[in-house]
Amino acid sequence: AQKVTQAQTEISVVEKEDVTLDCVYETRDTTYYLFWYKQPPSGELVFLIRRNSFDEQNEISGRYSWNFQKSTSSFNFTITASQVVDSAVYFCALSEAKQAGTALIFGKGTTLSVSS
Amino acid sequence: DTAVSQTPKYLVTQMGNDKSIKCEQNLGHDTMYWYKQDSKKFLKIMFSYNNKELIINETVPNRFSPKSPDKAHLNLHINSLELGDSAVYFCASSHTSVVWGNIQYFGAGTRLSVL
Repeated sequence: AQKVTQAQTEISVVEKEDVTLDCVYETRDTTYYLFWYKQPPSGELVFLIRRNSFDEQNEISGRYSWNFQKSTSSFNFTITASQVVDSAVYFCALSEAKQAGTALIFGKGTTLSVSS
Repeated sequence: DTAVSQTPKYLVTQMGNDKSIKCEQNLGHDTMYWYKQDSKKFLKIMFSYNNKELIINETVPNRFSPKSPDKAHLNLHINSLELGDSAVYFCASSHTSVVWGNIQYFGAGTRLSVL
């Protein structure tokens, strides 16, 4: 069965601090997708990144970076120089890659609070 | 233009009533989904449709019935509402082709409160 664990329920940081959100997943599939979504206080779900299981390259997008390690089944998300606008719930998710249109399996989310 | 739009955004109703939530996407996707987010923020799939055909039907009470009149629309009808149905319901859509990697785009959510 597929499972996503986000062990950090809540994280509080002060602006400009770096913060890493952890994500550990379980799957028996050899090919799969991993995702991060952001849910700001306004409530919508915003897609941030998708990673294929066969592509272990790390990715950087502005202040955001993602570290995918198959050996430890982890897909961690780092925000550099955090800002108040980064305050949100962040979800890690997993899906099969056998066919598109399959469900996203979400972790329970990590609530990030950034204070000024 | 909103990519995935849901109406209404808020829905307050009494136990036992029947209500519908509508969802439309203008992204040209052929797969649509309903997810439920409970009070602890946990997100779980309810249904998915591909080209109007039901693909996923998780363990959801029969009181919930999705309907897809065309591939751009997926509505959710709920009969005999119960207190436990109170949640935020999200609609999402994606391309079917694996080339697109199952990236799902979500609507803004419908907050349902059953009194």
